[in-house]
Amino acid sequence: GNSVTQMEGPVTLSEEAFLTINCTYTATGYPSLFWYVQYPGEGLQLLLKATKADDKGSNKGFEATYRKETTSFHLEKGSVQVSDSAVYFCALSEAAGNKLTFGGGTRVLVKP
Amino acid sequence: NAGVTQTPKFRVLKTGQSMTLLCAQDMNHEYMYWYRQDPGMGLRLIHYSVGEGTTAKGEVPDGYNVSRLKKQNFLLGLESAAPSQTSVYFCASSVGGRAGETQYFGPGTRLLVL
Repeated sequence: GNSVTQMEGPVTLSEEAFLTINCTYTATGYPSLFWYVQYPGEGLQLLLKATKADDKGSNKGFEATYRKETTSFHLEKGSVQVSDSAVYFCALSEAAGNKLTFGGGTRVLVKP
Repeated sequence: NAGVTQTPKFRVLKTGQSMTLLCAQDMNHEYMYWYRQDPGMGLRLIHYSVGEGTTAKGEVPDGYNVSRLKKQNFLLGLESAAPSQTSVYFCASSVGGRAGETQYFGPGTRLLVL
């Protein structure tokens, strides 16, 4: 079956530091890949996505590139802010219902 | 637009009690989903619906039932709650079922079963 593996947290950074969260996946076909973010006390919201190999998703300074050869979708941001403190989830979906398979989530804490 | 709303926000149950969680969306989405979130495990799909009157099992359906009598509402029921069902429950919706479509999530319901 499908699975998503992402680095465990928490990840603690200083403001303006570089952030990378690794995500790798296993899927039978050609999935779409997502990063969702969960701010404290809130539901999940889409951060970015990529639907085919070599696509790059970007939003709010975050980027991730769909790498089929390494089955990865690592999330990066060049300069984090305190407001980026949240839990980040990598996920994939394949056809037949758009059901999402999530990784375990990575908590990021950015200190001033 | 309110988006996806969930009722209640928090609930405490005793083992064996029943309850229903309500999810409502005002985006005219066809697909709706129920997930549970447990520490270190991400979100796991409980049940989903591809349209009014339809339901289907997800990854962890045991102990739960669902109904989609109206397009905008998706109910999740626990007939006899167990401590293992202590979790945060999220509802989501999407326009359709194509891979790559964005799912929109509600704020969650925190459930504690004693």
